Amino acid sequence: AQRVTQPEKLLSVFKGAPVELKCNYSYSGSPELFWYVQYSRQRLQLLLRHISRESIKGFTADLNKGETSFHLKKPFAQEEDSAMYYCALSRPGDKIIFGKGTRLHILP
Amino acid sequence: KAGVTQTPRYLIKTRGQQVTLSCSPISGHRSVSWYQQTPGQGLQFLFEYFSETQRNKGNFPGRFSGRQFSNSRSEMNVSTLELGDSALYLCASSLSVGGLTDTQYFGPGTRLTVL
Repeated sequence: AQRVTQPEKLLSVFKGAPVELKCNYSYSGSPELFWYVQYSRQRLQLLLRHISRESIKGFTADLNKGETSFHLKKPFAQEEDSAMYYCALSRPGDKIIFGKGTRLHILP
Repeated sequence: KAGVTQTPRYLIKTRGQQVTLSCSPISGHRSVSWYQQTPGQGLQFLFEYFSETQRNKGNFPGRFSGRQFSNSRSEMNVSTLELGDSALYLCASSLSVGGLTDTQYFGPGTRLTVL
């Protein structure tokens, strides 16, 4: 079955500490992986995608095909990182599947 | 450019009724996709329209339907509403060069409450 699993519903991290939001997937084929973010009172928006291999707002994510994971990482958390994060996958011509999301809470 | 707009923003209906939600994409975007967001199930893909054709569909019953007009505006319809249909319905648009792998630009959502 095709699915995206985000094992943590809530992750609390102190400001300045490293952040890792976990995402594991099950998909027959080679999907494209994404992280979407929703800040308080803002719209859901794309944070980054694995094919871009870029760092956005200090976040990076590496696709590990062997472990079928796409964890989101940031070395030093900032208070403005508090948000809901969704991992998602798709492939051209196919539907998109989202994980249930992880709420990241940065503690002062 | 103006962002994705959705109307209405809030809606209250009773069981058995039907509802139509509207979405206007970003100018130039040809793909519109719809999602249901609930606390229990998270964000679930409903369907995607491109050039007035449904290109992809999620695992929802036939009570959920949609359409897209020649100006790319889209509507989704839910018939015979059930309590479980209470949710935030999000619409997103994209240029759709790569289908749903394109960056999706989301609207603010329509909050549907079924009583």
